[in-house]
Amino acid sequence: RKEVEQDPGPFNVPEGATVAFNCTYSNSASQSFFWYRQDCRKEPKLLMSVYSSGNEDGRFTAQLNRASQYISLLIRDSKLSDSATYLCVVNTNAGKSTFGDGTTLTVKP
Amino acid sequence: GAGVSQTPSNKVTEKGKYVELRCDPISGHTALYWYRQSLGQGPEFLIYFQGTGAADDSGLPNDRFFAVRPEGSVSTLKIQRTERGDSAVYLCASSPGQGIVFFGQGTRLTVV
Repeated sequence: RKEVEQDPGPFNVPEGATVAFNCTYSNSASQSFFWYRQDCRKEPKLLMSVYSSGNEDGRFTAQLNRASQYISLLIRDSKLSDSATYLCVVNTNAGKSTFGDGTTLTVKP
Repeated sequence: GAGVSQTPSNKVTEKGKYVELRCDPISGHTALYWYRQSLGQGPEFLIYFQGTGAADDSGLPNDRFFAVRPEGSVSTLKIQRTERGDSAVYLCASSPGQGIVFFGQGTRLTVV
């Protein structure tokens, strides 16, 4: 079983839709959590950190449930430019960051 | 430079050859990571440096892979006796801490 698991998708949604991605992690010692975005043939880039209290950045909302070892990302009012692969990332206190295999989103006009 | 710099951007080598991949991290970042990524998969952890020392090398697949960071800045990933299965994008990242990493654009290695 992988340390970080994501539904690979693909998710194909129309513009304006709301879409949610889920991620589970197995290492209960994990300390910090992130969502990264990766465009085709580009490097991953930080989208947002994920906090236990939940956090929002514009159209993006991230949630963390430590008890269930579950992380989510919600995108509201999807734009064509949101099309990308979204990577769930978990970091242990020792510094190692472990990535999921990503969920692919395609937003269509 | 402003970001993580990796060279070369592309490398084609013959099976059995030795390759070196270079990473120049963001100035001041003490943590440096190497990952590799194959098509359809997320970045796979290889090794993590804190300063000059390898804090965690548990992801190196076998003894053909080795990485150094002698002065705590630039790092080199070395692969001996390359195999076709080593073909991937090798990503370097550096971190100011708190688990946030900034990636370079990667080196696309193709072993023929």
